[in-house]
Amino acid sequence: GAGVSQSPSNKVTEKGKDVELRCDPISGHTALYWYRQSLGQGLEFLIYFQGNSAPDKSGLPSDRFSAERTGGSVSTLTIQRTQQEDSAVYLCATRLQETQYFGPGTRLLVL
Amino acid sequence: QKEVEQNSGPLSVPEGAIASLNCTYSDRVSQSFFWYRQYSGKSPELIMSIYSNGDKEDGRFTAQLNKASQYVSLLIRDSQPSDSATYLCAVKYSNSGYALNFGKGTSLLVTP
Repeated sequence: GAGVSQSPSNKVTEKGKDVELRCDPISGHTALYWYRQSLGQGLEFLIYFQGNSAPDKSGLPSDRFSAERTGGSVSTLTIQRTQQEDSAVYLCATRLQETQYFGPGTRLLVL
Repeated sequence: QKEVEQNSGPLSVPEGAIASLNCTYSDRVSQSFFWYRQYSGKSPELIMSIYSNGDKEDGRFTAQLNKASQYVSLLIRDSQPSDSATYLCAVKYSNSGYALNFGKGTSLLVTP
């Protein structure tokens, strides 16, 4: 497909478990972002990758959150020891020039 | 703290009317501004981008930017029920790799 894809679309996990969320970007888009959208809240920036540069991790809420991007393509966001407040929709976006294109998101529920 | 403020709404307008959505931002040196539409349960999709003071029109949508007042708005002419959604205002930070700072969104309801 031509768009950003994310998997899984939904994830239910138990408090304390680790989760991995995946993002497949649009081919050729070198910039990739992760955002989080909690219920009733705006989109919260988490992390940004641009080519081979060091990622901008300034939005990560705690050291339980990490992300990597392998080969400048697929990205994985990992949340360790999940907490109930981590429940949210996690959105990946890639950028072409000034425009960011969002994937469908992963809806995470931590019980 | 760089803020982007929007009225949460809901803003209710009758079909065929003009819907006016407003956004203010605090980072005076921000240069790029975006309006995204988000249907319930879906991801945001870009409607308009605007970079210069004044108006930018695209079909039924007009974005207006006033950098002196730190204000950006979106007008939707001839509103349709299908325009009912949450509209997110986004502002690019001046110095952080194109990360966008989003408002919490305004819920628009267009009634038939």
